[in-house]
Order: sequence, then structure tokens, then C-alpha cells
Amino acid sequence: GDSVTQMEGPVTLSEEAFLTINCTYTATGYPSLFWYVQYPGEGLQLLLKATKADDKGSNKGFEATYRKETTSFHLEKGSVQVSDSAVYFCALSDQLGGFKTIFGAGTRLFVKA
Amino acid sequence: DAGVIQSPRHEVTEMGQEVTLRCKPISGHNSLFWYRQTMMRGLELLIYFNNNVPIDDSGMPEDRFSAKMPNASFSTLKIQPSEPRDSAVYFCATRQNGPTNYGYTFGSGTRLTVV
Repeated sequence: GDSVTQMEGPVTLSEEAFLTINCTYTATGYPSLFWYVQYPGEGLQLLLKATKADDKGSNKGFEATYRKETTSFHLEKGSVQVSDSAVYFCALSDQLGGFKTIFGAGTRLFVKA
Repeated sequence: DAGVIQSPRHEVTEMGQEVTLRCKPISGHNSLFWYRQTMMRGLELLIYFNNNVPIDDSGMPEDRFSAKMPNASFSTLKIQPSEPRDSAVYFCATRQNGPTNYGYTFGSGTRLTVV
């Protein structure tokens, strides 16, 4: 079945450092791909999405490109801030899977001042 | 738009008691999902509805768990009787169906503690 694998955390960075969180997926169809972010004590929020191969999703300085050839959707940000400290979830949603979304295990990011 | 509204935000109950968690979806969102989040198991899908009809409840852990969606504006997740291992954060998420996948909108969750 469909699955999402993301790098284990926690990831600890200093402010203004470059961020990459790796995500790879397995899907039988043509999924849409997502990154969600969860701040402490809150629900998940949609950060960005891409619906087809080579699409780039972007929001709040974060970017991810849908790479069909490597089945990847890595999250990047050029300069992180302390306020980016959160848990990041990679996810996919496939039409063949109905209405469900498959989430990765989450990667916790700590950014130090 | 007030978003997905869950109540209560926190619930502490004694083992054996009945617990009811509530969710009000965003108007116009056709699909509703109940998730449970714990440190050990991460995010688990319990059940989801499409147009108020339960589609897949294979994630419901036991018969002690039940969920209903009597109309497009309201859903409940009930645990009866509750046990300490049910302690978790329960999220409701909704989605608008259609040709474009806009992703989920999550509520703020209900933190359940069973003592």
C-alpha cells in the first residue's frame, strides 16, 4: 500500500541555517503531496502542497518539489528562525486511495537562537 | 470562517466513564476524519466520513469506540468505557472534495486523560 517515509528527528539547527527534511513516498497512483506543520499544543496546519510531478509548493519561505523519478518531496528553507521550531509531517493523498491521507511519522525541528 | 471546532479542549475522566468528543466541520467540507495522536504511535486514522456516511472505520481500536455524523455540521467520537490507554490527543480534520486536493484542515484537538 501507499506509504511515506521521512527522516527521523529531532533536527537541531542554529538560527539562519539551511533546512532540509527528507521525505520519500510509495504510491501506486498519482498522488498529491503535502507538508503539514504542528506547533506545540495545536493541530496540524497545511504548509504547502504539490499535485503533480515537477510542481513546486512554497509558503512562508519553505519549498518542496515533487520529484516523480526519485519519489521524493523534500522540504527546504534557506534560513530558519526560532519560530520555525515545530513538528513537520510529510503526507500523500491518492485518488485511488479514496479520501484518505497517509502521513509520515513527523520530524521535530528545534531552532536555537 | 472559524475553522474546524473541537470540544472540549481538555478532558480528564476516570477509567470506566463514558467520554464524548465533538467536532464541528467547516461549512462545505464533505469529508471528516478522526485521528488519534500519541508519542508512541504517532498519528492514527480512526474513522472517516464522506457526506455524513462512514466510509472506513478499520482504524477504530475496539468496540468501545464509536463515531457518528448525524448531519453535515456535527460529528462525535465516543469511548465507552474509557481506559487509561485511551489517553491521547484526538483530532478532527475536514476536507472539501473536488478535482483539486486542497488538503485537510485540522481542529485544535481534544487532549484526553483517563486516570
